[in-house]
Amino acid sequence: AQKITQTQPGMFVQEKEAVTLDCTYDTSDPSYGLFWYKQPSSGEMIFLIYQGSYDQQNATEGRYSLNFQKARKSANLVISASQLGDSAMYFCAMRGNQGGKLIFGQGTELSVKP
Amino acid sequence: DAGITQSPRHKVTETGTPVTLRCHQTENHRYMYWYRQDPGHGLRLIHYSYGVKDTDKGEVSDGYSVSRSKTEDFLLTLESATSSQTSVYFCAIRQGPNSNQPQHFGDGTRLSIL
Repeated sequence: AQKITQTQPGMFVQEKEAVTLDCTYDTSDPSYGLFWYKQPSSGEMIFLIYQGSYDQQNATEGRYSLNFQKARKSANLVISASQLGDSAMYFCAMRGNQGGKLIFGQGTELSVKP
Repeated sequence: DAGITQSPRHKVTETGTPVTLRCHQTENHRYMYWYRQDPGHGLRLIHYSYGVKDTDKGEVSDGYSVSRSKTEDFLLTLESATSSQTSVYFCAIRQGPNSNQPQHFGDGTRLSIL
């Protein structure tokens, strides 16, 4: 069975510091994709970054990077230079077998302190 | 902006009544999804569609049906609503045939069943 685990229900980070949000996954498929989404308090789901299982390099998108460790089955999100607007729920997700569905973790609530 | 509109945005109804949620897209994407979001569960797939009149069940499909008679509209119906279906419902589209392409979400519908 495919599964995503996010073990940090909540985290705090000081503004301008970097923060790592943990995500581990379980799958027996050799080909898979991992996604991170942000959900601010307004409720919308915002796509941040994608990592493919065969990608040789870690994905980066602006201040977001993905620390992909395939052997450990982890895909941690790193946010550099945190901003107050980064305060939100963050979800890790994996592409499932069924019609490209996404399997989500339970999320991590990030609070950025001024 | 992925051109996804969910309606209604909020609805309160009573147990046993039928409810239909609408997802409308403007960009002719083939794949559409319905998820529900509950505390402690992240997002879970209810149903998805891979074309007009082509739909399939997700992991939490009991009590729900869907229809897609036009490319742009994907309807989710609760035939006889129950309190356990109180949730936030998200529609998503996938912008392309590759299952590793990200899904983009509508703004959600907050449904309360009393």
